[in-house]
Amino acid sequence: AQTVTQSQPEMSVQEAETVTLSCTYDTSESNYYLFWYKQPPSRQMILVIRQEAYKQQNATENRFSVNFQKAAKSFSLKISDSQLGDTAMYFCAFMKQNSGNTPLVFGKGTRLSVIA
Amino acid sequence: DTEVTQTPKHLVMGMTNKKSLKCEQHMGHRAMYWYKQKAKKPPELMFVYSYEKLSINESVPSRFSPECPNSSLLNLHLHALQPEDSALYLCASSQRLAGAPGGEQYFGPGTRLTVT
Repeated sequence: AQTVTQSQPEMSVQEAETVTLSCTYDTSESNYYLFWYKQPPSRQMILVIRQEAYKQQNATENRFSVNFQKAAKSFSLKISDSQLGDTAMYFCAFMKQNSGNTPLVFGKGTRLSVIA
Repeated sequence: DTEVTQTPKHLVMGMTNKKSLKCEQHMGHRAMYWYKQKAKKPPELMFVYSYEKLSINESVPSRFSPECPNSSLLNLHLHALQPEDSALYLCASSQRLAGAPGGEQYFGPGTRLTVT
């Protein structure tokens, strides 16, 4: 079974600074996807970024980028130039790749507060 | 367009009531999901529909009854709920089944359910 661990329950960062959220996972699979979801206090879960395990290049979406270390089973999220709107719960998620039906496995989340 | 809509936004119901939650997507996605989320916790998968057929039921009590009338709509019928069922109920959809390319899930804003 797959597990996802987010070791930082809460973090804070000053506006305009950079912050990195950690995520590690455990799997015996070779092919899979990793995601970061953001859930602001308004509660809608928003897909921030995705990474295919077979790609060596780290995914980037504007101010959000990941550091994917497949051998170490690590998938951290870096937020650059933090903004007040980045305040949210961030969930790391794992999805096994196959032709069947595999659910998302979520970490417990990291609550990020951006301080003015 | 990655919009999933859910109605109502808030629902308060007694333990003897019958109510329904509604979810809609017009992205042509063929898989739809119901999740339950307690405060400060990750979402827990309840049901998965694939091509309008129920493919996963995560041992959810029968007081929750899902229905998929067509490829764009997903309902969750509620009957004789308990106070511990109070939670945020999230709907999600994906182009393909989880595990396949295009299996990333897009979430709706949720329905905040309170059972009194």
